[in-house]
Amino acid sequence: NAGVTQTPKFQVLKTGQSMTLQCAQDMNHEYMSWYRQDPGMGLRLIHYSVGAGITDQGEVPNGYNVSRSTTEDFPLRLLSAAPSQTSVYFCASRITLGTGGSGYTFGSGTRLTVV
Amino acid sequence: DAKTTQPTSMDCAEGRAANLPCNHSTISGNEYVYWYRQIHSQGPQYIIHGLKNNETNEMASLIITEDRKSSTLILPHATLRDTAVYYCIVRVGSLKTSYDKVIFGPGTSLSVIP
Repeated sequence: NAGVTQTPKFQVLKTGQSMTLQCAQDMNHEYMSWYRQDPGMGLRLIHYSVGAGITDQGEVPNGYNVSRSTTEDFPLRLLSAAPSQTSVYFCASRITLGTGGSGYTFGSGTRLTVV
Repeated sequence: DAKTTQPTSMDCAEGRAANLPCNHSTISGNEYVYWYRQIHSQGPQYIIHGLKNNETNEMASLIITEDRKSSTLILPHATLRDTAVYYCIVRVGSLKTSYDKVIFGPGTSLSVIP
């Protein structure tokens, strides 16, 4: 299994441009989510999905759209990039752990700079 | 989900045990304690989790107090590769939790010193 794969690893955008951050997992996980990480602020939840066709907003959804047409893929779209969206973006999917509860597998991140 | 508090930073000598504390005084009965770590520039990595009992795996041990208001992650023989930010979080361990608002605070920055 490749786990959670994010592309691209690095991206520079101009203000107002749009782009899609890709996230794919090959573990058949139902739950997937997007986080952004800014210095000193931990990880903040942007959007999440509990299965194909079902998405919902997290803590900081403004400026981002998601869709979930398949179990494997959960792309994050920036509609009109702003400098405030400069961040590191992580995609995660949820696994089931043997002793109950469930933990996350994270991708390696996409480092986005908006100029 | 309950909030957690952790020290901002800690140092540990290489080869010694690293004990990372976490307070979660408002934890609910159905909330698990999870530990993750994030090595610089990488995605967070799951370490261990538990509900009531102490847990051990190949990476670490988790000690949860009897009242469940605090826990300690133990790395038995710290190496330089264990230098990372360690996050303690609590959340309901339901497979069908519809809104999984997992809050990652700033964590503890552990430096393993040669």
